[in-house]
Amino acid sequence: KAGVTQTPRYLIKTRGQQVTLSCSPISGHRSVSWYQQTPGQGLQFLFEYFSETQRNKGNFPGRFSGRQFSNSRSEMNVSTLELGDSALYLCASRRDRGLADTQYFGPGTRLTVL
Amino acid sequence: AQSVTQPDIHITVSEGASLELRCNYSYGATPYLFWYVQSPGQGLQLLLKYFSGDTLVQGIKGFEAEFKRSQSSFNLRKPSVHWSDAAEYFCAVGARSSGGGADGLTFGKGTHLIIQP
Repeated sequence: KAGVTQTPRYLIKTRGQQVTLSCSPISGHRSVSWYQQTPGQGLQFLFEYFSETQRNKGNFPGRFSGRQFSNSRSEMNVSTLELGDSALYLCASRRDRGLADTQYFGPGTRLTVL
Repeated sequence: AQSVTQPDIHITVSEGASLELRCNYSYGATPYLFWYVQSPGQGLQLLLKYFSGDTLVQGIKGFEAEFKRSQSSFNLRKPSVHWSDAAEYFCAVGARSSGGGADGLTFGKGTHLIIQP
């Protein structure tokens, strides 16, 4: 069974631009979560989608948004990029929303904002 | 709100020696606890998880962790490390949202494990 895939793996943008990251969960998984990883702040939860609905959201500004499609694929969008948005963005999927279900992480998208 | 503390930023261990990585959490209810490992350029891989029951949890790659409620700890152990264990290790706590579903994971800052030959 294929794992969680994220595209693109690397991205370079300039301040003020916007970016869209994509995540394809493991087949049969309906929950997709996004995390931001930076050297200073570590791993921080962005949001979780389940059956095309955002269920939970972390403490990030409204510039960070996402959506989930009917096939459970998810996209994350960051508008008006700032230098501090440079990070590794990780996507994780699980079969349902329960914490008892293992969350599988993708390799991440490395975003660099210049 | 929940929080996780990993007191050791770096740990150096000789190959074949035993390992213990510390993790302390803060959470008002019974926590859901996890240990993940991240190799360079890779995503996170789950080593083990604790929800309830036996406080000693066995995981993959020979790792185990013990939940101690009285100490709010969930330390990761391995009796004999291999060079391939060199990686970043993250402890995480999961919370249940008010809506009844799972909330996001709160991670510690990680412990970088270095293996000496």
